[in-house]
Amino acid sequence: EVQLVESGGGLVQPGGSLRLSCAASGLTFSSYAMNWVRRAPGKGLEWLSYISNSGSGTHYADSVKGRFTISRDNAKNSLFLQMNSLRAEDTAIYYCARGGVSGYLLDSWGQGTLVTVSS
Amino acid sequence: DIVMTQSPDSLAVSLGERATINCKSSHSVLYSSNNKNYLAWYQQKPGQPPKLLIYWASTRESGVPDRFSGSGSGTDFTLTISSLQAEDVAIYYCQQYYSTPLTFGQGTKLEIK
Repeated sequence: EVQLVESGGGLVQPGGSLRLSCAASGLTFSSYAMNWVRRAPGKGLEWLSYISNSGSGTHYADSVKGRFTISRDNAKNSLFLQMNSLRAEDTAIYYCARGGVSGYLLDSWGQGTLVTVSS
Repeated sequence: DIVMTQSPDSLAVSLGERATINCKSSHSVLYSSNNKNYLAWYQQKPGQPPKLLIYWASTRESGVPDRFSGSGSGTDFTLTISSLQAEDVAIYYCQQYYSTPLTFGQGTKLEIK
């Protein structure tokens, strides 16, 4: 069974930084692309970033481009999201999701980690 | 960017009745080389992560009850729940995975009438 467990969320001041992690098990992690998606309070789902299985290819939503960086460590079955220059509107639950067919079909999701940006 | 628009925003259906949710994309998500629609449906219950229900517009994910079905092609898609059960109360999202940025519909909240 695929398990994705996010961590690293918490309360941070505007302008601050956080690094989210996603620990993967039950899959050959290095074979799959991975994604980050968030859901802000009272809003819908927003895709944020993609990384290819090798880590050589990445894509970002315009809303986070230049502020967030996705990375992975295949030896440790881990995915990361470095978030800098955080804003109040970045407050959300952040999910990691496996990229299935094509790399962009989100076929397994973690439970999420809450990030709150507030002074 | 491909804009995904769902209708309605909310829906109340009686137990055992049919529920229908529509999704329209601003650009075709049908890839001509393989004749596949890059359209998925997800279900999100309160306090839970989203769950993949349907992909390629009409293929049910393993373990998804057969009362859930997807249809459509190109720019217009439908998710149908043939006989609503209490456990189907959730928000439903369509998503295109044809191109980045990946985009979701705004969500449809399904409740019991």
